[in-house]
Amino acid sequence: GEEVAQTPKHLVRGEGQKAKLYCAPIKGHSYVFWYQQVLKNEFKFLISFQNENVFDETGMPKERFSAKCLPNSPCSLEIQATKLEDSAVYFCASSQSIAGGHSSYEQYFGPGTRLTVT
Amino acid sequence: RKEVEQDPGPFNVPEGATVAFNCTYSNSASQSFFWYRQDCRKEPKLLMSVYSSGNEDGRFTAQLNRASQYISLLIRDSKLSDSATYLCVVKGDRGSTLGRLYFGRGTQLTVWP
Repeated sequence: GEEVAQTPKHLVRGEGQKAKLYCAPIKGHSYVFWYQQVLKNEFKFLISFQNENVFDETGMPKERFSAKCLPNSPCSLEIQATKLEDSAVYFCASSQSIAGGHSSYEQYFGPGTRLTVT
Repeated sequence: RKEVEQDPGPFNVPEGATVAFNCTYSNSASQSFFWYRQDCRKEPKLLMSVYSSGNEDGRFTAQLNRASQYISLLIRDSKLSDSATYLCVVKGDRGSTLGRLYFGRGTQLTVWP
């Protein structure tokens, strides 16, 4: 597709429940990134993929967060046993490349999934 | 210390005004810089890349000062539609952080008629 697609748009979970978010990158883009935006503009990098391989996972709280990008499937971000502080908007972005000229590595963002943990 | 520091504002200016935003970055080896725009509850969108020599796109001018590790964005002749949050962004340029974007907190701009 021409845009990054994210589902669902909104997700409400009780504390301790599981949450699963999905992202379909732009067709032909090899890199996928997940970011968490808490409150008003604190973006935090979570994880990146090169195709189906994890590229950089140093931002992930590994105890409860996991992510996958499998061939021919949307990428997913899963949170086991959600906590109140997980309430945020989760953005997925994709890019053709991560090196080279500025235009080739522009990251295009999806509309985000707003997760509310109650 | 945060990777990217930005004055959150808010900036409230009348239509037609000129407004400037600044940010600083901590990693002197950084090579790639951007300004993104985020409208309320929407995804960030690339406004412009920032090149070493400075660059202009219509009413928008971006400047980079490597010695001071300082990036600026100037908006001339502000329009109502410029109201948004402007995010200063630095891209990770080496090793496993390659490609990762580091965001400032954003500067909120409101243009009033």
